Amino acid sequence: NAGVTQTPKFQVLKTGQSMTLQCAQDMNHEYMSWYRQDPGMGLRLIHYSVGAGITDQGEVPNGYNVSRSTTEDFPLRLLSAAPSQTSVYFCASSLRTAANSPLHFGNGTRLTVT
Amino acid sequence: EDQVTQSPEALRLQEGESSSLNCSYTVSGLRGLFWYRQDPGKGPEFLFTLYSAGEEKEKERLKATLTKKESFLHITAPKPEDSATYLCAVQARTNFGNEKLTFGTGTRLTIIP
Repeated sequence: NAGVTQTPKFQVLKTGQSMTLQCAQDMNHEYMSWYRQDPGMGLRLIHYSVGAGITDQGEVPNGYNVSRSTTEDFPLRLLSAAPSQTSVYFCASSLRTAANSPLHFGNGTRLTVT
Repeated sequence: EDQVTQSPEALRLQEGESSSLNCSYTVSGLRGLFWYRQDPGKGPEFLFTLYSAGEEKEKERLKATLTKKESFLHITAPKPEDSATYLCAVQARTNFGNEKLTFGTGTRLTIIP
């Protein structure tokens, strides 16, 4: 039972480079989202999707792009990496966007931008 | 603006020493309050959802309670394997008619054998 799978686990980028963080879920969840976790701050929502073909911005979307071509996959693209994007990134999914549908998280990607 | 504050930031307990973690919130239109456990290098793992004041939920040594302003996570006779960061999150209605999930910064719990 894989749940939410994120790759890679670790990544180091130079300023200005681009990359894609991968996220896949095998639970047939409608809702998928990306969060970043920084020391001393709560998890902050970057982008989310309520179904294939539908995406929207969260609290901190600048510098990131997403797409949702299938139910299973929700990649996060960093367009031109900046040191401020050094963080731990979590992908999460849930059956629906309701309070009775808690999030299932992947194990994160630790990104360092130098 | 919705606010979720967790205290203390860190807590060290002896094995078997019971205590409580606090999550206070300021939101309008509470839809649910979640507790998650996060181990180092892992993603948060869901523990409980509470929906209304007076509600309680239990799982092994953990019991979560909810009032109109705060939630407590009570840990009874903890063991070293209960060491983790515990996150609180509140889902609430926004002025735009949708819902927003706001996370606290967590309490890092260490149980000393």
